[in-house]
Amino acid sequence: KQEVTQIPAALSVPEGENLVLNCSFTDSAIYNLQWFRQDPGKGLTSLLLIQSSQREQTSGRLNASLDKSSGRSTLYIAASQPGDSATYLCAVSAGNNRKLIWGLGTSLAVNP
Amino acid sequence: EAEVAQSPRYKITEKSQAVAFWCDPISGHATLYWYRQILGQGPELLVQFQDESVVDDSQLPKDRFSAERLKGVDSTLKIQPAELGDSAMYLCASSPGGSSYNEQFFGPGTRLTVL
Repeated sequence: KQEVTQIPAALSVPEGENLVLNCSFTDSAIYNLQWFRQDPGKGLTSLLLIQSSQREQTSGRLNASLDKSSGRSTLYIAASQPGDSATYLCAVSAGNNRKLIWGLGTSLAVNP
Repeated sequence: EAEVAQSPRYKITEKSQAVAFWCDPISGHATLYWYRQILGQGPELLVQFQDESVVDDSQLPKDRFSAERLKGVDSTLKIQPAELGDSAMYLCASSPGGSSYNEQFFGPGTRLTVL
């Protein structure tokens, strides 16, 4: 059974730091991995999608990597800003219906 | 930029009442999903549509929940009767479907409070 784990559960950093959020999954048979951002009480914003054949994707200050063989992905945020404060969730797409299996998220606070 | 629309954004109801949520996916997206998210947890898939057909409703409490996507475009999720434990965020998402590049795009959600 596919399980997704995110570490750390919470992170507090000063503004300007580069930081890494981790996501691990137990079964390498995935279609893709997606990183989302969620602000309190809001819906989910898709940040990056990495297909199973890809190693990384970049968007602005965000870079996501995927190592399918080891079951790991990292989300790298460069030069963090207070506006980056949110919960970051990763999800892997797997199974016949490409269902998303979710981690519990990392709650990030970037302090001015 | 195209977005997934949901309404209402907030709903307060009393237990045993009926509630309904509406979702309009991004134009042309064949796959539509309804999720329930309890605070502090990841979303839980309730139902997945491919066009107008249900492809996964294994986690939908069918004794009280129903979902339809009659013309394969917008969708309605209904709860009748609502229970206290149904208080949660209900999220709708859509994706183009049909390939490994199956990025899901989410709407703003409906926050349901059952009193």
